Amino acid sequence: DTGVSQDPRHKITKRGQNVTFRCDPISEHNRLYWYRQTLGQGPEFLTYFQNEAQLEKSRLLSDRFSAERPKGSFSTLEIQRTEQGDSAMYLCASSHPGTSGERGYEQYFGPGTRLTVT
Amino acid sequence: AQSVTQPDIHITVSEGASLELRCNYSYGATPYLFWYVQSPGQGLQLLLKYFSGDTLVQGIKGFEAEFKRSQSSFNLRKPSVHWSDAAEYFCAVRPNSGYSTLTFGKGTMLLVSP
Repeated sequence: DTGVSQDPRHKITKRGQNVTFRCDPISEHNRLYWYRQTLGQGPEFLTYFQNEAQLEKSRLLSDRFSAERPKGSFSTLEIQRTEQGDSAMYLCASSHPGTSGERGYEQYFGPGTRLTVT
Repeated sequence: AQSVTQPDIHITVSEGASLELRCNYSYGATPYLFWYVQSPGQGLQLLLKYFSGDTLVQGIKGFEAEFKRSQSSFNLRKPSVHWSDAAEYFCAVRPNSGYSTLTFGKGTMLLVSP
């Protein structure tokens, strides 16, 4: 169990540029989540995948945001035309299948990607 | 909609003293409850969770939490704080059915003084 990994750890970009973040979940986990955390706040849910299917999107996920998980393994989160308000920590988490009983309720988080939009 | 309140933004505790971090939730039924810890620049680590059964749950690093249904609370405790416990602590809830998004509180920053 190598844990959830995220790349890059830090990204500085100019307003208007596009950025893409990658998340690699724990290998046997079929559920994957993206959260956004701004300064002084707890993480806020963005979107959720079960295998390759995107099952839920928060209203926080504007049209400039898109997430994919093409083969049900790693996921990418793309932000187009970045704005200063997009500056935040983007966290990825994964969990066991729901059929794993209580283990399916525990989410394991990666270290996050800190985005700064200048 | 469910919500989580952590009323203390910062708490300072002397090393070796006891700790209690407060968490209250608002939800129509008993949710599943979690405490996470986040060190600077790090992701969140699960400390403990409550699903059902015994209302006093034990976690890692010597932490425990008690679920009180009548108070809609899930306070985190530790009898003796170590300097390495300085971090931000988040309480989170999720529904006890359906898919599993978490709702987090705003966090409590724990400072440990010598």
